[in-house]
Amino acid sequence: AQKITQTQPGMFVQEKEAVTLDCTYDTSDPSYGLFWYKQPSSGEMIFLIYQGSYDQQNATEGRYSLNFQKARKSANLVISASQLGDSAMYFCAMRESNTGGFKTIFGAGTRLFVKA
Amino acid sequence: DTAVSQTPKYLVTQMGNDKSIKCEQNLGHDTMYWYKQDSKKFLKIMFSYNNKELIINETVPNRFSPKSPDKAHLNLHINSLELGDSAVYFCASSQTWQGVGNQPQHFGDGTRLSIL
Repeated sequence: AQKITQTQPGMFVQEKEAVTLDCTYDTSDPSYGLFWYKQPSSGEMIFLIYQGSYDQQNATEGRYSLNFQKARKSANLVISASQLGDSAMYFCAMRESNTGGFKTIFGAGTRLFVKA
Repeated sequence: DTAVSQTPKYLVTQMGNDKSIKCEQNLGHDTMYWYKQDSKKFLKIMFSYNNKELIINETVPNRFSPKSPDKAHLNLHINSLELGDSAVYFCASSQTWQGVGNQPQHFGDGTRLSIL
């Protein structure tokens, strides 16, 4: 069974608009962390935002925010005011306490295209 | 200052050869990883090391042999290269997982391995 599911292989968004990238996860561990990474066409992996399973508030980092719905096991990434430079692959990932945090599971990714 | 550096960036070689990829991090992290990203961009963990000790070996063929001379270095040696080994290999590092906490992985820029 997939532990991290990103159902949108590709997304288009108009520049300056907001976009939501979906991520659902599956775990029975009460202690886990959720991460989003960006991979531009140049190939590097860039950490964007983190949400801990015990965090009461949704994480925010600049234009990135995480819509964390624990009961639904979803951790969607919201990018506000999209920019052309946001065009990239976006990966949702999870680390679980029961693996000592040594095993990060990544989703298949969503490719975001920002249109001018 | 590059936080996680891996060399070489590109590696083109013949099937059956042996090759190595080097990785170094200057972040003082205890944990280092190797990931393989296939042509469909799927990112899968191969190995996790903590303080030079192997923690995770994700059913990787034993042609792949990681070596960690110290906690700042994690090299990957691959014997008898096969066509299916063609991929981008990422090294990463992080602080040791403390249960729940913001400890993202920092990635190197990747090594693109092409087997002819």
